Amino acid sequence: NAGVMQNPRHLVRRRGQEARLRCSPMKGHSHVYWYRQLPEEGLKFMVYLQKENIIDESGMPKERFSAEFPKEGPSILRIQQVVRGDSAAYFCASSLGQGSTDTQYFGPGTRLTVL
Amino acid sequence: GESVGLHLPTLSVQEGDNSIINCAYSNSASDYFIWYKQESGKGPQFIIDIRSNMDKRQGQRVTVLLNKTVKHLSLQIAATQPGDSAVYFCAENTGGFKTIFGAGTRLFVKA
Repeated sequence: NAGVMQNPRHLVRRRGQEARLRCSPMKGHSHVYWYRQLPEEGLKFMVYLQKENIIDESGMPKERFSAEFPKEGPSILRIQQVVRGDSAAYFCASSLGQGSTDTQYFGPGTRLTVL
Repeated sequence: GESVGLHLPTLSVQEGDNSIINCAYSNSASDYFIWYKQESGKGPQFIIDIRSNMDKRQGQRVTVLLNKTVKHLSLQIAATQPGDSAVYFCAENTGGFKTIFGAGTRLFVKA
């Protein structure tokens, strides 16, 4: 029973390039969340998606960042024209439902380094 | 704004001792709390959770205590082992999907 999967695990980009981060939720989970974590800090909520819908993107920067969760395939977090400040670990989580007690299970993360 | 925070950023304990990691929350509307463990280079791992209608919940070697009067949450780890060394996050949920994480406490276990 595979857990949440993320790829790539490490991603290096130069300033101005695009970064695409992928997340496959746990089997049976249709709720996906993206978080960003800076070194020595907690996780910051970015966006919550269900299949083909963005439910809440209040934590997403207004520019350059976008997320999708298509009917088929993984969820994608896309960062256009990356800057050094985008360097962070990006974690995806999934849950079975969206209730307040639906535990979110996390993937191993993608560590983005912007040169 | 409302947030979840931790009293101690680092905690060092001797192997075999009990560990207590504390967390304060300020949102009285929070109804669900979770403790996560994050090892270096890995994603957060669910440890234990507790609903607001409870004040104590036990798992394997871990106990979570919730004091709603003072808005305080703690994680107790019995007989701490080297494998328990990690950063521990408390998180709260005020209903729905949004989970707010605290800053984390780093636990060092000395052999």
